[in-house]
Amino acid sequence: AQSVTQPDIHITVSEGASLELRCNYSYGATPYLFWYVQSPGQGLQLLLKYFSGDTLVQGIKGFEAEFKRSQSSFNLRKPSVHWSDAAEYFCAVEGGATNKLIFGTGTLLAVQP
Amino acid sequence: DTGVSQDPRHKITKRGQNVTFRCDPISEHNRLYWYRQTLGQGPEFLTYFQNEAQLEKSRLLSDRFSAERPKGSFSTLEIQRTEQGDSAMYLCASSSDGSSSYNSPLHFGNGTRLTVT
Repeated sequence: AQSVTQPDIHITVSEGASLELRCNYSYGATPYLFWYVQSPGQGLQLLLKYFSGDTLVQGIKGFEAEFKRSQSSFNLRKPSVHWSDAAEYFCAVEGGATNKLIFGTGTLLAVQP
Repeated sequence: DTGVSQDPRHKITKRGQNVTFRCDPISEHNRLYWYRQTLGQGPEFLTYFQNEAQLEKSRLLSDRFSAERPKGSFSTLEIQRTEQGDSAMYLCASSSDGSSSYNSPLHFGNGTRLTVT
């Protein structure tokens, strides 16, 4: 069965520092992978997605993610974090014929001034 | 495109009461999903509609839960005899038809936060 693991529950970075959020997936075939962001009290916003092609994917808000099949990973990165990036980040894989998404448990990002 | 709308934003109810939530998807979207998100967890899939047909239900959706999408537009999620364990954020998402969520991304509403006292 498809699953997603986000090993880091909380991460704190200083504003302007680089960021990497980890995501590992379990999937039998080539996965559809996603990163979503959720601000407090809000729904989820799609940051980026990957299926095939270039393994480095660019998204909105300056985020990118790299797909590594050998490591079953799809880590999210940002070169310089802004205070407005503080939020919870979810990695997801598509599972099943209904196109539903299976989410990881999320990583809560705090940004220090 | 006004986005996915959910009502109410917050609901506080006493254990044993029934509650109903509404979701209005993006107007041209045929697919509608309900998810539940508890504290410290990612969203968990509950159920899926293609137009008015409910095509998949999670094991999480006990017999106290029922979802409808009578005319293929808005959807309701009802919880009967609520329990404290039902306290969560209930998220609705919609998408257009497509071979995958890569081609037809899910758009999420802001959710309904349920608190059962």
